[in-house]
Amino acid sequence: KNEVEQSPQNLTAQEGEFITINCSYSVGISALHWLQQHPGGGIVSLFMLSSGKKKHGRLIATINIQEKHSSLHITASHPRDSAVYICAVNTGNQFYFGTGTSLTVIP
Amino acid sequence: KAGVTQTPRYLIKTRGQQVTLSCSPISGHRSVSWYQQTPGQGLQFLFEYFSETQRNKGNFPGRFSGRQFSNSRSEMNVSTLELGDSALYLCASSPQPEGNSPLHFGNGTRLTVT
Repeated sequence: KNEVEQSPQNLTAQEGEFITINCSYSVGISALHWLQQHPGGGIVSLFMLSSGKKKHGRLIATINIQEKHSSLHITASHPRDSAVYICAVNTGNQFYFGTGTSLTVIP
Repeated sequence: KAGVTQTPRYLIKTRGQQVTLSCSPISGHRSVSWYQQTPGQGLQFLFEYFSETQRNKGNFPGRFSGRQFSNSRSEMNVSTLELGDSALYLCASSPQPEGNSPLHFGNGTRLTVT
């Protein structure tokens, strides 16, 4: 049983396209995190959400607590956005992670 | 501000040995959490320390342990290594505990058990 489900698993887009990655979870959470991992392992925290919507540059993250669903949007995608995007939820005493979405943006 | 520093970056050990990994958090961050990442299981939460106390623990056997020092630096120990312990071990620091503030990850320690 996976507490966090992400879709799609793999995504290929042309440069400039609008991208959406989805995350559904089945547990009660105190916060949801979107993480970015580039080849080589380094992980960067993109957003931490407990409600509503956040925007940073070309990235937008939304969360619907009632539906237990979050989305990460990338506007005007660029090859440097190519990475694995991971959704993580914190229940207050545990972290659960999605399996990640591997994004490739083609010039 | 210096980032999260993990040492060593790479480690090769033999089955049955033990290993200690180190994590130095961002200055001022009192929470340090540890994670294991493998191709098969993905990212999994190991434990979290805040102000020298273990706050939370994931579903790992007792061979995995950790501690935090008064300067917030943390160590993770794995005893009686098994082949399945080969993984990337990541730590993250944050100002507040329990994932309620953004996480800052180190570059990880890649452990290979032969």
